[in-house]
Amino acid sequence: EAGVTQFPSHSVIEKGQTVTLRCDPISGHDNLYWYRRVMGKEIKFLLHFVKESKQDESGMPNNRFLAERTGGTYSTLKVQPAELEDSGVYFCASSQDRVEQYFGPGTRLTVT
Amino acid sequence: AQSVTQLDSQVPVFEEAPVELRCNYSSSVSVYLFWYVQYPNQGLQLLLKYLSGSTLVESINGFEAEFNKSQTSFHLRKPSVHISDTAEYFCAVSPRGNTDKLIFGTGTRLQVFP
Repeated sequence: EAGVTQFPSHSVIEKGQTVTLRCDPISGHDNLYWYRRVMGKEIKFLLHFVKESKQDESGMPNNRFLAERTGGTYSTLKVQPAELEDSGVYFCASSQDRVEQYFGPGTRLTVT
Repeated sequence: AQSVTQLDSQVPVFEEAPVELRCNYSSSVSVYLFWYVQYPNQGLQLLLKYLSGSTLVESINGFEAEFNKSQTSFHLRKPSVHISDTAEYFCAVSPRGNTDKLIFGTGTRLQVFP
């Protein structure tokens, strides 16, 4: 069984540019989560999808971040325009039972 | 609201020595408790979890953690570490009945030396 995959693994962009991160969850997992770790700090929750619906987006930092999950399969997280403080590692996780979450390898985003 | 404290940001230890990684949490409701591990250049992996039942839980690679409700702790222990245990370890909680999100500690980097 394939795990959670994320693309790209690394992204380096300039301030003001746009970046789109992708997450493919484990097949059959209705629940998909995005988290972010800013350097040296804790991993923080961003939002939770159940199928294609946003269940909880209380962790989204501001309106420069847009998450979508069309068709309830893969998800994208777009940052537009990117700022320096957006740098960090973005993790995606999926879950079938909403208790045990399976994480992807993360996307390291560097904004210069 | 919930919070998780991992007081030790780094723990250096020699191979075959015992280790304890500390985790304390704060919550006004009952929680599930987790330890995740991130090996170098890899994603987060679930190491072990406490949902209910016995307060001592074990992983397949020799780690164990004990849920202590009175001390609101979930410390991770291993009696004898290996070089391959070098990784970053994250303690996390999620509130029972509302498991939409995990609340993580800041992580503890375990470095095992030969």
